[in-house]
Amino acid sequence: NAGVTQTPKFQVLKTGQSMTLQCAQDMNHEYMSWYRQDPGMGLRLIHYSVGAGITDQGEVPNGYNVSRSTTEDFPLRLLSAAPSQTSVYFCASSYGTKTGELFFGEGSRLTVL
Amino acid sequence: GENVEQHPSTLSVQEGDSAVIKCTYSDSASNYFPWYKQELGKGPQLIIDIRSNVGEKKDQRIAVTLNKTAKHFSLHITETQPEDSAVYFCAARKTSGSRLTFGEGTQLTVNP
Repeated sequence: NAGVTQTPKFQVLKTGQSMTLQCAQDMNHEYMSWYRQDPGMGLRLIHYSVGAGITDQGEVPNGYNVSRSTTEDFPLRLLSAAPSQTSVYFCASSYGTKTGELFFGEGSRLTVL
Repeated sequence: GENVEQHPSTLSVQEGDSAVIKCTYSDSASNYFPWYKQELGKGPQLIIDIRSNVGEKKDQRIAVTLNKTAKHFSLHITETQPEDSAVYFCAARKTSGSRLTFGEGTQLTVNP
């Protein structure tokens, strides 16, 4: 099984550019989420979705957009990249919305110059 | 919202020794406490979890304890091995919400 697949693994952007981080899961999970990981700050929730057509903001949503048109896909969009968005981004999914193990992708390292 | 603090940020032990990582949480309504292990270049992976109706849970060399009164929980790894070297994250969540709040992470190094 592929599990949670993130693309790209590495990306370098210039300030002001836009891009989309892709996330797909093949486990029929209801819940999907995006985290960013920064040194000394753990994993912080950006946006999450409890099902197709439903999204909500997490802890640090500013500068990011998401959509959930299908159960499988949950892309994260940066409309105008800023150096503060330099980070490692993880997509995670789980079967249930209130309990259950989170399955993480392998991460996408983004550098904004 | 929930706030989870994790200590220490780095921990170095000799192979065969025990390692303990501690976390405190702020919201007394939290009742699910997982621990994740992140190996270099990989995403975090669940290694053990505990719910608030249980005080301790063991799985081979790892165990988690929970003190609801004091609002803290700990990860214990016995007989550490070099492959235990990784970043460990604690987390907390309420039943009524779907948001999982993570601690800052602990870099564990097991020296051969």
